[in-house]
Amino acid sequence: KAGVTQTPRYLIKTRGQQVTLSCSPISGHRSVSWYQQTPGQGLQFLFEYFSETQRNKGNFPGRFSGRQFSNSRSEMNVSTLELGDSALYLCASHLGPGGVREQFFGPGTRLTVL
Amino acid sequence: DAKTTQPNSMESNEEEPVHLPCNHSTISGTDYIHWYRQLPSQGPEYVIHGLTSNVNNRMASLAIAEDRKSSTLILHRATLRDAAVYYCIPSYSGAGSYQLTFGKGTKLSVIP
Repeated sequence: KAGVTQTPRYLIKTRGQQVTLSCSPISGHRSVSWYQQTPGQGLQFLFEYFSETQRNKGNFPGRFSGRQFSNSRSEMNVSTLELGDSALYLCASHLGPGGVREQFFGPGTRLTVL
Repeated sequence: DAKTTQPNSMESNEEEPVHLPCNHSTISGTDYIHWYRQLPSQGPEYVIHGLTSNVNNRMASLAIAEDRKSSTLILHRATLRDAAVYYCIPSYSGAGSYQLTFGKGTKLSVIP
């Protein structure tokens, strides 16, 4: 079956703009998480959604937001972009609550802020 | 979250076994130990997880110390495709959150 899909794969924006990234989980998966990866900070958790509800949020400013749709697809938005927002944004999906779950990561969206 | 300590880097010859250690001395009794790896230019990939007993799957084996303060990921025969950063992640899923807290991991190089 198809893996986690993230679009776009690459994006270039300028400071002050906003951006929306999309994630389509594996079919049947109802939980989606987002992570930011930078050389300095490594992989950091942004937020987690299940059945359109945010279940957990990482330590990021309010400029970072997300949502999940009824078909489990998720989007994350970053407003008022800063240079430090340049990163690889990764999405992970899994079935949802009910024991320990293997998470499946997408290839990521590489965001460059100029 | 439990703090983990892993070597920054390790090297292995191709087709030899690799033992990747992880210390997680502050792990709680309900934390599972997960291992993920990230190949170059890819998202992380699940490898294995366990709670108390040693675990095996098609990719690797996980040996967990009796006091659960450390674990070792074992790749039985390293291939070039196993060159990646390996992350050891104690994580509790009982509250319904599946957040993974990644540390710096161990960069494994495989020598042909």
